[in-house]
Amino acid sequence: DTEVTQTPKHLVMGMTNKKSLKCEQHMGHRAMYWYKQKAKKPPELMFVYSYEKLSINESVPSRFSPECPNSSLLNLHLHALQPEDSALYLCASSQEGLAGAGELFFGEGSRLTVL
Amino acid sequence: GQNIDQPTEMTATEGAIVQINCTYQTSGFNGLFWYQQHAGEAPTFLSYNVLDGLEEKGRFSSFLSRSKGYSYLLLKELQMKDSASYLCAVWPAGGSYIPTFGRGTSLIVHP
Repeated sequence: DTEVTQTPKHLVMGMTNKKSLKCEQHMGHRAMYWYKQKAKKPPELMFVYSYEKLSINESVPSRFSPECPNSSLLNLHLHALQPEDSALYLCASSQEGLAGAGELFFGEGSRLTVL
Repeated sequence: GQNIDQPTEMTATEGAIVQINCTYQTSGFNGLFWYQQHAGEAPTFLSYNVLDGLEEKGRFSSFLSRSKGYSYLLLKELQMKDSASYLCAVWPAGGSYIPTFGRGTSLIVHP
């Protein structure tokens, strides 16, 4: 299994809603990432978990709350989002934790629209 | 800080060869990756260079010169399906191994 699975693929939510994005990998990877990508822009790093601990938070607003229940799962909880948060949210994993470089395996992304 | 530079857009003809350049200035170097991303889809891995030289993989090749902070992705026998964004990503050395992505090069292949 060499896949990173993200659900849902599409999500439309209002500014007062609470929703979650989910990501799962069964490759035994030790690092998992959340990226945000706007159209025609590169992925922007949001959070990194290494060995199930939050290692990097790139000054992301608190309306985005990551959670890593176990080594295979990564969630992104969303609350009180703004329309400008509409984007493609990509989950990725890599074999090593933050101790070594390695290929990022990306999920297909969750396309989020905030009304 | 980290700085990666790629051309914004390139066009080429089906069957031709195209070279996409990437220059970087990072805090140390621990590897360079090229990813392909079709519109609305996730990036997919193309190649990885950590030592100087050329890595060939089918129609795609990637070159690295660490002393010049320079890489290129070479696509041969272009096909329409190669129309996509190509992202250069560099892993710095030391501290946290967090990759930095370039802005991506949008390649348009014409018939």
